[in-house]
Amino acid sequence: EAGVAQSPRYKIIEKRQSVAFWCNPISGHATLYWYQQILGQGPKLLIQFQNNGVVDDSQLPKDRFSAERLKGVDSTLKIQPAKLEDSAVYLCASKSGGASYNEQFFGPGTRLTVL
Amino acid sequence: AQKITQTQPGMFVQEKEAVTLDCTYDTSDPSYGLFWYKQPSSGEMIFLIYQGSYDQQNATEGRYSLNFQKARKSANLVISASQLGDSAMYFCAMREGPEGNTPLVFGKGTRLSVIA
Repeated sequence: EAGVAQSPRYKIIEKRQSVAFWCNPISGHATLYWYQQILGQGPKLLIQFQNNGVVDDSQLPKDRFSAERLKGVDSTLKIQPAKLEDSAVYLCASKSGGASYNEQFFGPGTRLTVL
Repeated sequence: AQKITQTQPGMFVQEKEAVTLDCTYDTSDPSYGLFWYKQPSSGEMIFLIYQGSYDQQNATEGRYSLNFQKARKSANLVISASQLGDSAMYFCAMREGPEGNTPLVFGKGTRLSVIA
């Protein structure tokens, strides 16, 4: 079974530029999450999708961040314009079914550096 | 208040010894799940073990076991017979409520270093 795919793995941009990340979850996983992991901290949820609908985006800085999951499969996360404090690893995770014991499977992450 | 607290920023353990990584949690929901993930330097998050709030027995997965003390709200990870490959960041996380799809809340992590 293929895992969660993310691209690019690394991205370096200057502040005020735009950037987009892509995630392809495990086939059949209806729930998709984007987490932000700042250096030295644990991941923090940005947005959660169930199929192609947003379940929770309460912690997404909507003035600069946007995300979509067209057709309920792949997802993109965009930052426009980027700030220095957006430097972090962006992790995508997916989960199957609704059982509470089912774990989330994480992708390798995209490491963003904003200069 | 912190939902998940990991008080050990770093830990050292001798190869083949056992080590305990601490985790305390805070929730008023009677239904919740506790997870441990390992994050090597490569960055991916690897699921290790799960404990449900209604589970009567402590969870075990190979060399990993979870010391679940519900009254004390602690869910410590025990790694037996440490190996060099166990050197990584370890994160404790919680899912609150009966819904299985609610997102995880993570602690700040503990960096484990295994010494030969």
